[in-house]
Amino acid sequence: DQQVKQNSPSLSVQEGRISILNCDYTNSMFDYFLWYKKYPAEGPTFLISISSIKDKNEDGRFTVFLNKSAKHLSLHIVPSQPGDSAVYFCANSGAGSYQLTFGKGTKLSVIP
Amino acid sequence: DAGITQSPRHKVTETGTPVTLRCHQTENHRYMYWYRQDPGHGLRLIHYSYGVKDTDKGEVSDGYSVSRSKTEDFLLTLESATSSQTSVYFCAISDVQATGEKLFFGSGTQLSVL
Repeated sequence: DQQVKQNSPSLSVQEGRISILNCDYTNSMFDYFLWYKKYPAEGPTFLISISSIKDKNEDGRFTVFLNKSAKHLSLHIVPSQPGDSAVYFCANSGAGSYQLTFGKGTKLSVIP
Repeated sequence: DAGITQSPRHKVTETGTPVTLRCHQTENHRYMYWYRQDPGHGLRLIHYSYGVKDTDKGEVSDGYSVSRSKTEDFLLTLESATSSQTSVYFCAISDVQATGEKLFFGSGTQLSVL
């Protein structure tokens, strides 16, 4: 079973507006939740993370929210910029695990 | 940028031939990983290494083997390539276990098996 689910394969947003990317997970034992960003022909790069003991983490235009009761993670980008157009992967890991489990990704297109 | 080099960047091969992909790092990081990225599947872990000669299987390890004889090099081998192994392969390194923040990826190898 897939432990991390990104149910929206794509999202289009107007420049300057808010982008909201969503992720659901099934395993409550994960300690950290992460978002990675990927441009074409490049490897993924770390964007932002949140510990399971928190419900919000903010870094500039990027904010990640964690709703543990709903097992739901979201990434907010405000304001969205054309350079944010990329594929976004959510991922999670647990203590003692060598592995990150990634979602299938959501392709964000920010329209100028 | 983290010092990770994947080679080759692109490769076309025929079904049944052996293929080796190389990942080289200059960061002296302990952990190294091989992922594959496929449409509709995201990133899936193939194998990982937690030290020289210490490796273990990931989610999709069938048909792949790995070796790590030096800290800086992690090789992924397809013993007999199949069309289902056409994919983009990413190497990653980290020096911290499990939190994820310090997982750095290479630029990828596009492999086509005809």
